[in-house]
Amino acid sequence: NAGVTQTPKFQVLKTGQSMTLQCAQDMNHEYMSWYRQDPGMGLRLIHYSVGAGITDQGEVPNGYNVSRSTTEDFPLRLLSAAPSQTSVYFCASSYWTGKERELFFGEGSRLTVL
Amino acid sequence: AQSVSQHNHHVILSEAASLELGCNYSYGGTVNLFWYVQYPGQHLQLLLKYFSGDPLVKGIKGFEAEFIKSKFSFNLRKPSVQWSDTAEYFCAVKGGNKLVFGAGTILRVKS
Repeated sequence: NAGVTQTPKFQVLKTGQSMTLQCAQDMNHEYMSWYRQDPGMGLRLIHYSVGAGITDQGEVPNGYNVSRSTTEDFPLRLLSAAPSQTSVYFCASSYWTGKERELFFGEGSRLTVL
Repeated sequence: AQSVSQHNHHVILSEAASLELGCNYSYGGTVNLFWYVQYPGQHLQLLLKYFSGDPLVKGIKGFEAEFIKSKFSFNLRKPSVQWSDTAEYFCAVKGGNKLVFGAGTILRVKS
């Protein structure tokens, strides 16, 4: 049982490049989400999904796309990277139905945009 | 939309001192409340959570938090901190479909 797995752990991009951060979970969680963490700003929700085929925007969605074709995977795409997207990105998942909806986090992906 | 406010961004304590970190939220409906901890270089780990029932919640490592609905607060406490509690602490509130985090409080415990 691997939990939430994020790849890559580190990435350096040039302005304008595109890339995809991968997130996979093996806990059969319905809910998956992406956050970015910046100093002094906590974690801000980018996008989230409550099940396969369903996605919605969080607090800071601009410049990012997501899709949820399977329960296990929730990739985050940067369409045209900007220096303002330099951050640490965390994927998290949880059950959606039932009482226990604690989020489980991946180990993070540190992205630098030059 | 909900929001979360953590009162202190930096807290410095000596070992054995008592800790209280403030957290207030704004949301009109039913909420689930969480405290997460992030040790240096690591990802977030759940300290404790409140869904319903007893408003005094006990978590791991001697931490506890009290949900006061009338004050929209969920403050984190520990009677006696240790050097190993040095970390960043995040309050989070789930209302509806979104889990929203506060800006975090960096705790440094001096040995």
